[in-house]
Amino acid sequence: KQEVTQIPAALSVPEGENLVLNCSFTDSAIYNLQWFRQDPGKGLTSLLLIQSSQREQTSGRLNASLDKSSGRSTLYIAASQPGDSATYLCAVRLTGNITQGGSEKLVFGKGTKLTVNP
Amino acid sequence: EAGVAQSPRYKIIEKRQSVAFWCNPISGHATLYWYQQILGQGPKLLIQFQNNGVVDDSQLPKDRFSAERLKGVDSTLKIQPAKLEDSAVYLCASIRGANTGELFFGEGSRLTVL
Repeated sequence: KQEVTQIPAALSVPEGENLVLNCSFTDSAIYNLQWFRQDPGKGLTSLLLIQSSQREQTSGRLNASLDKSSGRSTLYIAASQPGDSATYLCAVRLTGNITQGGSEKLVFGKGTKLTVNP
Repeated sequence: EAGVAQSPRYKIIEKRQSVAFWCNPISGHATLYWYQQILGQGPKLLIQFQNNGVVDDSQLPKDRFSAERLKGVDSTLKIQPAKLEDSAVYLCASIRGANTGELFFGEGSRLTVL
């Protein structure tokens, strides 16, 4: 059974600091991995999607890496801002039996709650 | 491009009452998901539709939860009767194709059962 773990559960940093959020998964047979941001009382906003064949993806101040063999992904946030305060979740998509219409289940971690202090 | 639409945003009911949530995915997105997110947890899949067919409902409590997507576009999730432990945010998400793309979520429907 695939398990996704995010450590730490909460992180507080001063504005301007570079930071890394961690995501680990137990089964390396994944199709892709997606990082999301969730603001309080809101839905999830997709940040970055990394296919299993890729090593990293970048968008602005965000960089996500994927190491399938070790079951790890990191989300790097450069020059953090108070507006980055949110909960960050990672999710892995299992390979499943996709060609026969099987479920491509997405397994989520519990998230890391980030607070960037001005 | 309009995002995933959900309603209502908030609902408060008493236990044993019923409630229904509605979702309209992004236009052209064939795959639709309903997730349940309990406070402090990651979302848990309830049901996945591919067009108007159910692909996975293995984690749906079928004695009280039901969902349909009759015309392969919008979807309804119903809970009847509700229990206290059903208090959660119900998130709808969609993907254009079967599995390869980004998952887009709606704002969610927050249910409180008293």
